[in-house]
Amino acid sequence: SYELTQPPSVSVSPGQTARITCSADALPKQYAYWYQQKPGQAPVLVIYKDSERPSGIPERFSGSSSGTTVTLTISGVQAEDEADYYCQSADSSGTYPDVVFGGGTKLTVL
Amino acid sequence: QVQLVQSGAEVKKPGASVKVSCKASGYTFTSYGISWVRQAPGQGLEWMGWISAYNGNTNYAQKLQGRVTMTTDTSTSTAYMELRSLRSDDTAVYYCARVYSTVDNTNWYFDLWGRGTLVTVSS
Repeated sequence: SYELTQPPSVSVSPGQTARITCSADALPKQYAYWYQQKPGQAPVLVIYKDSERPSGIPERFSGSSSGTTVTLTISGVQAEDEADYYCQSADSSGTYPDVVFGGGTKLTVL
Repeated sequence: QVQLVQSGAEVKKPGASVKVSCKASGYTFTSYGISWVRQAPGQGLEWMGWISAYNGNTNYAQKLQGRVTMTTDTSTSTAYMELRSLRSDDTAVYYCARVYSTVDNTNWYFDLWGRGTLVTVSS
């Protein structure tokens, strides 16, 4: 298996752009996914397959991939975006995939 | 309404076992797998394993092998997670999550989550 590395925290002012990175040594072979988790709530999928946005997720959320790093970008950050964000991927080297989560990034809206 | 409804909070003593349920509704239960993910207080997400609701095949996180068992009851569209030999560091919120996966396993993610079940292990 492998590890996904995220920065522990990111801070931005309202209206600015937040970028949260997630790096690993196996991402080029596997897609990455992003979840938003607010205090006391279950995670919510905000990006799948590196850059696809589920229905109901605001357009200000986007994802990208370059080499071994994927990035979640939140454009025009709003106060309601303050949350923990987790990247996730899967190691498919075995019969069934082993899921890996990044350590999480706390987004603070100043 | 598509949802996963989990059982209520549990308090257990060290060495005991706990069994958490996750009842699915609003979709064809056997068309998706279920994973369990836990989160210790103030910590990140930890994947525990997966079960196919179609055929009962399982894959457990290596760290929990031998202590965890995941099962399903297709007659009630319910998934279960049993964790044995509980320790204080098993105190966490336990989530069930629906797994979206493709046949070639290039996509594997969680598109629906339960609200979580708090399991407290304390003497």
